[in-house]
Amino acid sequence: GAGVSQSPRYKVTKRGQDVALRCDPISGHVSLYWYRQALGQGPEFLTYFNYEAQQDKSGLPNDRFSAERPEGSISTLTIQRTEQRDSAMYRCASSLGWRVPLDEQYFGPGTRLTVT
Amino acid sequence: GIQVEQSPPDLILQEGANSTLRCNFSDSVNNLQWFHQNPWGQLINLFYIPSGTKQNGRLSATTVATERYSLLYISSSQTTDSGVYFCAVEMDGGADGLTFGKGTHLIIQP
Repeated sequence: GAGVSQSPRYKVTKRGQDVALRCDPISGHVSLYWYRQALGQGPEFLTYFNYEAQQDKSGLPNDRFSAERPEGSISTLTIQRTEQRDSAMYRCASSLGWRVPLDEQYFGPGTRLTVT
Repeated sequence: GIQVEQSPPDLILQEGANSTLRCNFSDSVNNLQWFHQNPWGQLINLFYIPSGTKQNGRLSATTVATERYSLLYISSSQTTDSGVYFCAVEMDGGADGLTFGKGTHLIIQP
C-alpha cells in the first residue's frame, strides 16, 4: 500500500514569508508525528497527534511554528515569518498508535525547506 | 531528556566485510527502531526492536533493554548498504516522539 507522502518535496522561500508543509499518513494510522532534520544530524521531534488531537507540542521551536490535523488524517505544519535558521528537512511519520504492541513509526520522504 | 549515543560515527569498509553498529541509551525505553538513511535521503525502517533479537536477510539486531544498548549487525556488506544508520528510541512513559542518535555514517567501497 501507499506509504507516508509529503508535499512539496522541495520549497524555496524568502525570509519573512509563511510556508505550509503537508503530510498524508498511511491509511488507518492514528498517530502522526513531525520532525525536523538539520544537515548531518538525526531528526528532532517537533509535535504529534492522535487522531485530530495534538498531544505534545513541546518540541516546536517557537510560536512561529504550528501544526494541525483537523480531520484526523492529513496534517499541515505551518511556519510563519520564516527565518534562515528554519532551513532544514521536515519529516512526517505515522504509526498505528494507541500503544498497540507494534507502534512502529514510518517516515515520509520529507520536505527540504530553504529560506533565502 | 533521554540521551542516545551511536558508535562509531564513521565507518569505511570493503564490500563483503561484516560490521557491528552500537546504540547506547540513557533510560528505559518502550520503543527502539533502527533506520537506514540512503544517499537519496529516504529513511528506511530496518527493525522495530525494543528488546530481543531479530534477523532480516543480511541484517540482524539485538537489544538488551536491561543494559540499555542495541546492536545492529550487517554481514557481507554491499555498496548499497552505504548511508547513515540511525538508532531512535521512545522513552518509557515519556512523549511519543522518537529521540534519534547522531547516526553512523557507513561507506562500503567496491
